[in-house]
Amino acid sequence: DAGVIQSPRHEVTEMGQEVTLRCKPISGHNSLFWYRQTMMRGLELLIYFNNNVPIDDSGMPEDRFSAKMPNASFSTLKIQPSEPRDSAVYFCASSTAGTGTYEQYFGPGTRLTVT
Amino acid sequence: GNSVTQMEGPVTLSEEAFLTINCTYTATGYPSLFWYVQYPGEGLQLLLKATKADDKGSNKGFEATYRKETTSFHLEKGSVQVSDSAVYFCALRGNSGYALNFGKGTSLLVTP
Repeated sequence: DAGVIQSPRHEVTEMGQEVTLRCKPISGHNSLFWYRQTMMRGLELLIYFNNNVPIDDSGMPEDRFSAKMPNASFSTLKIQPSEPRDSAVYFCASSTAGTGTYEQYFGPGTRLTVT
Repeated sequence: GNSVTQMEGPVTLSEEAFLTINCTYTATGYPSLFWYVQYPGEGLQLLLKATKADDKGSNKGFEATYRKETTSFHLEKGSVQVSDSAVYFCALRGNSGYALNFGKGTSLLVTP
């Protein structure tokens, strides 16, 4: 199994530019999560999808952030326009929802630097 | 709401020393509890879990016991190795939810 795949691994962009982060969840998983990790705030859940439908986006910081999941094997997180305070590591995770503890499997993350 | 508090790091230990990383939680009902580990440059990996009171999760020599009376889930290992150097996150999932609430993480450095 390839695990959760994220791209790019590193992104450096200038303030005001659009940034798109990509995620391919593990095949067969029906839940997908986007997290942001910073030194100051730790790990924060941004948005959660179940069966491709956004269930909870209360963690999305501003309207500049948007996420989509057009099918079960692909999701994007877009920031437009980007700002320096968006610099962080963004993780995608997937799991099987339902009964049990349903472990979340994390991708390697995208390190975003906005200058 | 749900929350997790874990001890501040960094923690520096010599190889073969005993490790304890404290974790306490606040939650209603009966949450599931987890320890995740993050190695440098990588994503988080599940280390161990416990789903009900008095359960003990264990993996790779690490253990943690779900203590409802003290709302704790402390991580322990009897003899750490250099390869255990990483950041360790305690997390909980409420019994009515899907999201994980993470602690701030504790950095562990094991020296030879």
